[in-house]
Amino acid sequence: AQKVTQAQTEISVVEKEDVTLDCVYETRDTTYYLFWYKQPPSGELVFLIRRNSFDEQNEISGRYSWNFQKSTSSFNFTITASQVVDSAVYFCALSGFSGGGADGLTFGKGTHLIIQP
Amino acid sequence: EAQVTQNPRYLITVTGKKLTVTCSQNMNHEYMSWYRQDPGLGLRQIYYSMNVEVTDKGDVPEGYKVSRKEKRNFPLILESPSPNQTSLYFCASSLRRSEKLFFGSGTQLSVL
Repeated sequence: AQKVTQAQTEISVVEKEDVTLDCVYETRDTTYYLFWYKQPPSGELVFLIRRNSFDEQNEISGRYSWNFQKSTSSFNFTITASQVVDSAVYFCALSGFSGGGADGLTFGKGTHLIIQP
Repeated sequence: EAQVTQNPRYLITVTGKKLTVTCSQNMNHEYMSWYRQDPGLGLRQIYYSMNVEVTDKGDVPEGYKVSRKEKRNFPLILESPSPNQTSLYFCASSLRRSEKLFFGSGTQLSVL
């Protein structure tokens, strides 16, 4: 069965600090997709990134960056120079084909990120 | 504007009174799904649909029904709601399975 673990339930940092959210996954598939979603205090769920298992290049988008390492089964998310608007719950998710949710989509339990001014 | 529309946004009901939460998408997506979000448990999938007339159970389907008679609509039906179904519900759609999900704005359901 596949699994996504976000070990950090809650992280609190002061504005302008860098922060990394950890995501570790388990799957037997060789082809799979990894995602990050953001849920701000207003409650909506916003897509951030999708990465397939064959693309291990790190990705940077403004202050956001993602580090995908197949060797450690991790897909970590870093926010550089954090801002109060980054305060949210962040979900990591895995889409494979061999277990987890009935259609192979599994979410982690989420990390609540608090950015203090 | 491309979107997933869920209604209602908030719903308070009593045990046993049948209710339906509607979900509609305007992006011609094949894949649609329902999730519930509970504190400490993250997002758990209730049902999903790969296409019209094709639906299947997710991780927590007990007490729920769905239908997919048209591509754009995927209603969630609670035939006899119970207090343990009090939760925040999200509908989502994507072009195909494993593509990025577009989520509705959520329905906060309270069953008294």
